[in-house]
Amino acid sequence: DSGVTQTPKHLITATGQRVTLRCSPRSGDLSVYWYQQSLDQGLQFLIQYYNGEERAKGNILERFSAQQFPDLHSELNLSSLELGDSALYFCASSVGLSGDNYGYTFGSGTRLTVV
Amino acid sequence: SQQGEEDPQALSIQEGENATMNCSYKTSINNLQWYRQNSGRGLVHLILIRSNEREKHSGRLRVTLDTSKKSSSLLITASRAADTASYFCATDEGAAGNKLTFGGGTRVLVKP
Repeated sequence: DSGVTQTPKHLITATGQRVTLRCSPRSGDLSVYWYQQSLDQGLQFLIQYYNGEERAKGNILERFSAQQFPDLHSELNLSSLELGDSALYFCASSVGLSGDNYGYTFGSGTRLTVV
Repeated sequence: SQQGEEDPQALSIQEGENATMNCSYKTSINNLQWYRQNSGRGLVHLILIRSNEREKHSGRLRVTLDTSKKSSSLLITASRAADTASYFCATDEGAAGNKLTFGGGTRVLVKP
């Protein structure tokens, strides 16, 4: 157990639907990062939050949004889902603004299948 | 887009042999990290090497970094069947971007 908790582990949904993925960072970590892993794109950074504020944005689609709550857990919302959104979505956390000192701790991921 | 390119894409070795994989990247970095991923599961942080370091060891792992060539290598010595996994290098640009940029990974199969 890495200390980063992601729920649900698996999710199957239909095209056009909306889903919410949840992440609880490791205790004491203030930053949460979301990554998408797909066969064709590999591991791609989506977005980072630090202590409730958005700090960095990557290849995140406009149909996707995220937030970090006061208790530091984060949610990634995916809407108007398409078949191509099927992927493994990872959450990672770090103590500070980056993983410079201690690296990043990844959760076990949510596998999203859009049918 | 991916920062790193890993070589080889796949590697098959016998238990007890060493496994070496390489990573090249494009931009200036703050540090470079290696991760392991067992089939379809989470990423496990293996080792972090800063841009001012040239070599680092952790157990059976040895990582080198050559910033002039923008490349890194990961050596796993005396491999075990349990080392079978995909290995990813990831670069952290520090203040230029609070995120990791991953390579495509090397799939390692260690045969017993």
